[in-house]
Amino acid sequence: SQQGEEDPQALSIQEGENATMNCSYKTSINNLQWYRQNSGRGLVHLILIRSNEREKHSGRLRVTLDTSKKSSSLLITASRAADTASYFCATENQAGTALIFGKGTTLSVSS
Amino acid sequence: NAGVMQNPRHLVRRRGQEARLRCSPMKGHSHVYWYRQLPEEGLKFMVYLQKENIIDESGMPKERFSAEFPKEGPSILRIQQVVRGDSAAYFCASSPSDGGYTGELFFGEGSRLTVL
Repeated sequence: SQQGEEDPQALSIQEGENATMNCSYKTSINNLQWYRQNSGRGLVHLILIRSNEREKHSGRLRVTLDTSKKSSSLLITASRAADTASYFCATENQAGTALIFGKGTTLSVSS
Repeated sequence: NAGVMQNPRHLVRRRGQEARLRCSPMKGHSHVYWYRQLPEEGLKFMVYLQKENIIDESGMPKERFSAEFPKEGPSILRIQQVVRGDSAAYFCASSPSDGGYTGELFFGEGSRLTVL
C-alpha cells in the first residue's frame, strides 16, 4: 500500500511564482525524501529530511516536516520553466527495506 | 562516473514472450532496487537485492516475474510469458553499501516495455 500521498495531483503556475507540494504519510519514519522526475526520465533525488529535523533548505528548495501530523511540504521558490516535472515524496516501508513512493505532483511552469 | 545503467531503454514484446531487463548499479553500489511505473502513476516497489541475495521481494508478482543480482554482472529482471498489463516503465535504482536501506537512491533512466 502507498505510504506517502502527494497533494495536489497537478499544479500549474507562472515562472517566478512559488510552488508548494504536500505529502502525507501513514506510519512513523526515520526520514522522508523528495525526488523529481522529468518526462520520460528516471528519478533524481532532491533532498532528504530526517525525522528529528523540521526544515531543510537546498538552493531554491525548502522542505518542512511535521511528524505530529505525518506530513511534509516541498516549496520551490522563484520557479522556472525547467522545474516542470513530477515530484514524489518517499518514505521507507514498514520492513525498512525499501523506499515507497507516492503518486506524485505534476508541476507545470509556464513562461 | 557512470550512473545507473539500464538496458534496453525500449523493448517491444508480443504476448507470451519473455522480457529481460538489465541494470548495472553505480560503481561501488551493492544494493539494487527494481520499481515499476505505469502511465500517470507513481513508482511501485518490486524487489530489493544485494549481491547474490534477494532481500525483499514483497512487491513482485508471484508468477512470471523473477530477479537476480549475481556476483558478477548486472542485475536482471525477468518477465516470462508477458501480457499486455506488463507494459510499463521499469526502473532500477542503486545505493551504496553503507547507505542503509532507506538512504538516497540513484535511479537509471528506465526500460520501457511495450507488450503487443
